[in-house]
Amino acid sequence: AQKVTQAQTEISVVEKEDVTLDCVYETRDTTYYLFWYKQPPSGELVFLIRRNSFDEQNEISGRYSWNFQKSTSSFNFTITASQVVDSAVYFCALSEDGSARQLTFGSGTQLTVLP
Amino acid sequence: DAGVIQSPRHEVTEMGQEVTLRCKPISGHDYLFWYRQTMMRGLELLIYFNNNVPIDDSGMPEDRFSAKMPNASFSTLKIQPSEPRDSAVYFCASSLVPGQETQYFGPGTRLLVL
Repeated sequence: AQKVTQAQTEISVVEKEDVTLDCVYETRDTTYYLFWYKQPPSGELVFLIRRNSFDEQNEISGRYSWNFQKSTSSFNFTITASQVVDSAVYFCALSEDGSARQLTFGSGTQLTVLP
Repeated sequence: DAGVIQSPRHEVTEMGQEVTLRCKPISGHDYLFWYRQTMMRGLELLIYFNNNVPIDDSGMPEDRFSAKMPNASFSTLKIQPSEPRDSAVYFCASSLVPGQETQYFGPGTRLLVL
């Protein structure tokens, strides 16, 4: 069975600090997809990134970067020079090939960026 | 193109009443998903459709919950009768197939059952 663990329930940083959100997953499939979603205080779920299991290249998008390591089953998310607007709950999710697109979500990490 | 549209955004009702939540997926998306989010259980998949056909409803909590997708651009999630424990945020999401796994979520419906 697939499982996603976000061990950090809450993180608080001061603006301009870097912060890394951890995500560890479990799956028996060799083909799978990993996602990060952001849920700001307004409540919507915003898609951030999708990564398939065959692509282990790290990705950078502005202040956001993702580190995918199959050897440790981790897909960590780093925000560089955090801003107050980054305050949100961040969810990591997993979809297995053949699972008919069912997403398994982690429990989320509440990030608070203080001014 | 507009994203996933949900209505109403907020719903307050009394126990025992019927509640209907509505969703319009992104045009061209073949899959539609209904999720429920609560503090205790996080994000749970309730049901999903492929080409308007329900594929897996194993996440639907009880017979009080039902979902339909009469056409490619509209789906409903109905709770009858509603109970206080149904209070949650209900999200609708849609995705393309094949090859694209990304689910795009609507803004959610915040349901409060008194």
